[in-house]
Amino acid sequence: SQQGEEDPQALSIQEGENATMNCSYKTSINNLQWYRQNSGRGLVHLILIRSNEREKHSGRLRVTLDTSKKSSSLLITASRAADTASYFCATDGTSGSRLTFGEGTQLTVNP
Amino acid sequence: SQTIHQWPATLVQPVGSPLSLECTVEGTSNPNLYWYRQAAGRGLQLLFYSVGIGQISSEVPQNLSASRPQDRQFILSSKKLLLSDSGFYLCAWSVPPFSASGRDNTGELFFGEGSRLTVL
Repeated sequence: SQQGEEDPQALSIQEGENATMNCSYKTSINNLQWYRQNSGRGLVHLILIRSNEREKHSGRLRVTLDTSKKSSSLLITASRAADTASYFCATDGTSGSRLTFGEGTQLTVNP
Repeated sequence: SQTIHQWPATLVQPVGSPLSLECTVEGTSNPNLYWYRQAAGRGLQLLFYSVGIGQISSEVPQNLSASRPQDRQFILSSKKLLLSDSGFYLCAWSVPPFSASGRDNTGELFFGEGSRLTVL
């Protein structure tokens, strides 16, 4: 079963705007990860946030985690056309379950 | 550096034919290995994972099987394909939780480029 659920399912913005994607999950986690997938390609790891962290930055990426609400958000600032891809959150549950992925958000950045 | 190779990249097979997808990892030892399937526009479904040679865990009952004949080789197979087996198959590896490699064992997955299977 899918642990993480992203919203929105699709997001279309103009270059230069910020993009925010959200992820909700159901059970306690060790960490939450965000991945990116270009069309027809494998997934690439973007950033990991541990359950005892609230915010993390990496370049133009900012991830927040609210364990009380069981939710996370991924913010991409100053988006570029090359950011067009699907973005997935994945959770590593405390019960030792495997990494499980959400359904993803399809981001389109228009030049 | 570590690399993962997955092949073939695309495959068109008739219903009832056999399947073999292969994945190899280089530059690391004793990795955890995974096979995921992705339906069009959807998330990833874990099919199999392996923590060592000959050790395979299946996450969902299905028409597929997996084998790990060597430490860094993971094979996805089927004796008779079904239409519903069509999809995008992704192999991935991760550092084991208690590896002595010194790498940060966070469970980060490293994916291959995928194999697109169409069953007709």
